[in-house]
Amino acid sequence: GAGVSQSPSNKVTEKGKDVELRCDPISGHTALYWYRQSLGQGLEFLIYFQGNSAPDKSGLPSDRFSAERTGGSVSTLTIQRTQQEDSAVYLCASSSGGTGAREQYFGPGTRLTVT
Amino acid sequence: GNSVTQMEGPVTLSEEAFLTINCTYTATGYPSLFWYVQYPGEGLQLLLKATKADDKGSNKGFEATYRKETTSFHLEKGSVQVSDSAVYFCALSMNSGYSTLTFGKGTMLLVSP
Repeated sequence: GAGVSQSPSNKVTEKGKDVELRCDPISGHTALYWYRQSLGQGLEFLIYFQGNSAPDKSGLPSDRFSAERTGGSVSTLTIQRTQQEDSAVYLCASSSGGTGAREQYFGPGTRLTVT
Repeated sequence: GNSVTQMEGPVTLSEEAFLTINCTYTATGYPSLFWYVQYPGEGLQLLLKATKADDKGSNKGFEATYRKETTSFHLEKGSVQVSDSAVYFCALSMNSGYSTLTFGKGTMLLVSP
């Protein structure tokens, strides 16, 4: 079946502009995660959606970052007033829902470059 | 909080050499442990996992054993190939509640012919 897809694959933006990154999870997966991969920082958790529960936003680095998940499926990560330190690869993952450790399936990522 | 520590790379080996990539963890509670692999230009893929102490995860010739006494999950392979060149990430996720992945910083493996 189809895996997790993300768009765009690459995004170059000017400092100060807003960007939106999209994630389509695996059909039927109720849990969706956003991570950021940057040089020197490794992989950092950003935000987690589980079904209709309130999202876990504990990893968002600042209030310029927000995310939503419409209809329990597609998710959009928005970064407002981008800064150069936002340059990174943004990864989305999904898993079947419920508690406990579950295998997460990752998308190919969106490489964001802020100039 | 939870954390994962991996040996720094790059690890450079010749084909058919033995591989060990060390991973230790700190967690409040009982996590599941994972190794993910990222091949050049590709996304993260699950390589293997172990959900409780003394479990051994294995896949594609790679193995890792969940050692609770040493809080470790070292990745091993008896004979590496050039195609194993990639970045390897150790990670944990808690077995209770809703849990995300906590990753190590990754270890780059370079295998030469």
